[in-house]
Amino acid sequence: GESVGLHLPTLSVQEGDNSIINCAYSNSASDYFIWYKQESGKGPQFIIDIRSNMDKRQGQRVTVLLNKTVKHLSLQIAATQPGDSAVYFCAESSNRDDKIIFGKGTRLHILP
Amino acid sequence: DAGITQSPRYKITETGRQVTLMCHQTWSHSYMFWYRQDLGHGLRLIYYSAAADITDKGEVPDGYVVSRSKTENFPLTLESATRSQTSVYFCAATPGAAYNEQFFGPGTRLTVL
Repeated sequence: GESVGLHLPTLSVQEGDNSIINCAYSNSASDYFIWYKQESGKGPQFIIDIRSNMDKRQGQRVTVLLNKTVKHLSLQIAATQPGDSAVYFCAESSNRDDKIIFGKGTRLHILP
Repeated sequence: DAGITQSPRYKITETGRQVTLMCHQTWSHSYMFWYRQDLGHGLRLIYYSAAADITDKGEVPDGYVVSRSKTENFPLTLESATRSQTSVYFCAATPGAAYNEQFFGPGTRLTVL
C-alpha cells in the first residue's frame, strides 16, 4: 500500500555539523510534504513544509529538498545544536485529502 | 494561550473498561484529529473531524468512538479497552485543510492492564 517511510531510524551527528534526514514516499499523487519534530514527552511540532511544485524551501537553519523523480525528500539542519535532539517525522498529503500520513520517524542524536 | 489541552495526561485502566480521553482547543480550528503513537508505527490516524458534527475514520478506527458536538472539544472513547490499545494518544487541530500545520496536544499515555 501507499506509505511514507524513512531510510534510517537513528542518526548521530556531531554538534555543529549539518544533519540530513531522509524520507521516501510512494504516493505519486501527494502534493504536500511536511516535517515535524517531536521532543521527548511532547507532541509533534511543525518545522517546515513544501509543495510539489517546489524542489527546495528554506527556513531558519532548516532546508527541505524534494525530488519528485525518485520520490524522496530530505530535511537538512545547519549547525546542529543540542536542542535539535528529537525524533523527526516526514508526512505527506494532498489538497484533495482530509488527512496526512506520517512516516515512522528518525531519531536525531547529537554528539558533544 | 493554552492551545490544545488533553486530559488525563496519564491513565491506567483494565481490559474491558470504557475510557474517554478528552481534547480541548482554545481556538476554533475546524479540523481536529486523534492519533496513536506506538514504537515502530509512528503516528497513526484514528479519527478526524472537519467540523462540529462531522467525523470520519482514519487508518485505525476499530475499537474507538468519537464525537464532536462543539467545535472546541473532540473526545475519544475506547468502548471496551484492550491491551493492544495501550499507547500514547495525541490530539491535533488545524484551522484550514488537513494538510495545513497541525497543532498537537501534549499527549495522553494510556496503559491497559
